[in-house]
Amino acid sequence: DAKTTQPNSMESNEEEPVHLPCNHSTISGTDYIHWYRQLPSQGPEYVIHGLTSNVNNRMASLAIAEDRKSSTLILHRATLRDAAVYYCIRSRTTSGTYKYIFGTGTRLKVLA
Amino acid sequence: DADVTQTPRNRITKTGKRIMLECSQTKGHDRMYWYRQDPGLGLRLIYYSFDVKDINKGEISDGYSVSRQAQAKFSLSLESAIPNQTALYFCATSAGTGGTNEKLFFGSGTQLSVL
Repeated sequence: DAKTTQPNSMESNEEEPVHLPCNHSTISGTDYIHWYRQLPSQGPEYVIHGLTSNVNNRMASLAIAEDRKSSTLILHRATLRDAAVYYCIRSRTTSGTYKYIFGTGTRLKVLA
Repeated sequence: DADVTQTPRNRITKTGKRIMLECSQTKGHDRMYWYRQDPGLGLRLIYYSFDVKDINKGEISDGYSVSRQAQAKFSLSLESAIPNQTALYFCATSAGTGGTNEKLFFGSGTQLSVL
């Protein structure tokens, strides 16, 4: 199955770090791991992606397990604006098959 | 102006009617996608197109058809709408130059209600 597994919901206090886990145990060697988030009443927006090494950008960090069967999105200091549904996605590489298959995501609640 | 524009934003229709949702983009991207979102089910891929002459089925293509009229335009049709097609529909694009190492850019969505 191409879909990933994430907890349905998580809570965090404002200004604290948040670690959002994702399981992708059937990932193949060339599939990328992507994270998107969806703010209320908006389309999903890109957060970060990676293949094997940990990745950092201005929004977040992505930690990928050595066996690539799981990954963690890290928000270093959660703000109220980070309250959203976060989707972990693996992208397929086989020509002719679909790509960017979304799961149900994790709804992050940030407490003031 | 939005890079990925979906029209209409909201639509109410009746069972059996034909309806078209439109998507246009100014990003110059080759790849375009249609997803639907249902509460509790996340986003599911309906169709995708890697260029004007390429159309591919996604996870849930039954009951839908698409047309790629130009690089910038990708429309989704429901030939005979039914109530379980009530959902939020998203169009997305990607550049088409980086394989699966690409970002998706989404429109704001079309809320469709079939009565």
